[in-house]
Amino acid sequence: NAGVTQTPKFQVLKTGQSMTLQCAQDMNHEYMSWYRQDPGMGLRLIHYSVGAGITDQGEVPNGYNVSRSTTEDFPLRLLSAAPSQTSVYFCASSYSGQNYEQYFGPGTRLTVT
Amino acid sequence: GENVEQHPSTLSVQEGDSAVIKCTYSDSASNYFPWYKQELGKRPQLIIDIRSNVGEKKDQRIAVTLNKTAKHFSLHITETQPEDSAVYFCAVSTSGTYKYIFGTGTRLKVLA
Repeated sequence: NAGVTQTPKFQVLKTGQSMTLQCAQDMNHEYMSWYRQDPGMGLRLIHYSVGAGITDQGEVPNGYNVSRSTTEDFPLRLLSAAPSQTSVYFCASSYSGQNYEQYFGPGTRLTVT
Repeated sequence: GENVEQHPSTLSVQEGDSAVIKCTYSDSASNYFPWYKQELGKRPQLIIDIRSNVGEKKDQRIAVTLNKTAKHFSLHITETQPEDSAVYFCAVSTSGTYKYIFGTGTRLKVLA
């Protein structure tokens, strides 16, 4: 099993550009989530999904969109990149959205200039 | 919504000593409390977790204790080793919300 994979590993965007961060898991997990990690602020939940076709907002959803058309994939879209979105982004998956270990992907380091 | 506070933000201990990191939470309905370790440049990985119906859990040199009345839980690492140096995050999950809220992290340095 590859576990949770993310692409790309690094990305530089200009302000106003859009892009999609890819996330996939091969563990047949129902729950998937996106976090951003900033120095001194821990991991903050952006969006999550409890199954294909079902998504909801986390703590910091503004400026990001998600969709979940399959169990395996959970892409994160930046609509119009801003310098405040410079961060490390982690995707995670879990058997269930409650009381189960989350498995994290390797992360995407995004810089917006 | 749920609020999680983690202390201290940095912790330095001598090799062989114990380290304790504490997290407090606000929602009494919270029922799952995992701890993650993140080495430099790596992804967070679960090291231990506890559920609300248990007061303490041990796994070799690490343990987690939960005080539901006071709404806090702690990570205990005994006989620390240099490879324990990392950032540790607590998290809280509340029944029915499908959200994991993380603490701000503790950078642990084990001095040889």
